[in-house]
Amino acid sequence: DSGVTQTPKHLITATGQRVTLRCSPRSGDLSVYWYQQSLDQGLQFLIQYYNGEERAKGNILERFSAQQFPDLHSELNLSSLELGDSALYFCASSPRGQTGNTIYFGEGSWLTVV
Amino acid sequence: TQLLEQSPQFLSIQEGENLTVYCNSSSVFSSLQWYRQEPGEGPVLLVTVVTGGEVKKLKRLTFQFGDARKDSSLHITAAQPGDTGLYLCAGNTGGFKTIFGAGTRLFVKA
Repeated sequence: DSGVTQTPKHLITATGQRVTLRCSPRSGDLSVYWYQQSLDQGLQFLIQYYNGEERAKGNILERFSAQQFPDLHSELNLSSLELGDSALYFCASSPRGQTGNTIYFGEGSWLTVV
Repeated sequence: TQLLEQSPQFLSIQEGENLTVYCNSSSVFSSLQWYRQEPGEGPVLLVTVVTGGEVKKLKRLTFQFGDARKDSSLHITAAQPGDTGLYLCAGNTGGFKTIFGAGTRLFVKA
């Protein structure tokens, strides 16, 4: 158990819909990361927050957004869902989000868009 | 574009065999991590290397960071079925973004 908690674990929804994935980082970790993993794309970095502020942005679509709240939990919002958005979405956390910081992953949220 | 290439992409071996997987880039990394991921679970950190030429051992696993900090290898001695999984390397160039390779999928047959 990494200490990173993600909900829901599984989610099935229809195209065009909107979903919210939630993440609680490890106790004391200030940095939260979101990754998308699909069979053909590998693990893709989406976005990182540090202590409530956006720190780095990766291959995140405009239909997706995220935020980190004052209590440090984070949400990833996926809207206008398409079939290709079906993937495993991971949240991860680290103490500071700086070079060499160990990143700890949650168990992921399986999203299936039908 | 920063890229981490892992090879081989897939490896199927018999229990007891040795193997090496590689992680290569044209970029210099300030640190590099190796993770193992099992189906349906998140990646679990195995090791972090930060110094060029560094070698770290974790039981039957040996990790090496290249002298120029552009590449790394993971060697497994006497592989066991429990080693089966997806091995991911991840590098940080000094910014706040960690780049992951596509992974090496290892299957160890009993």
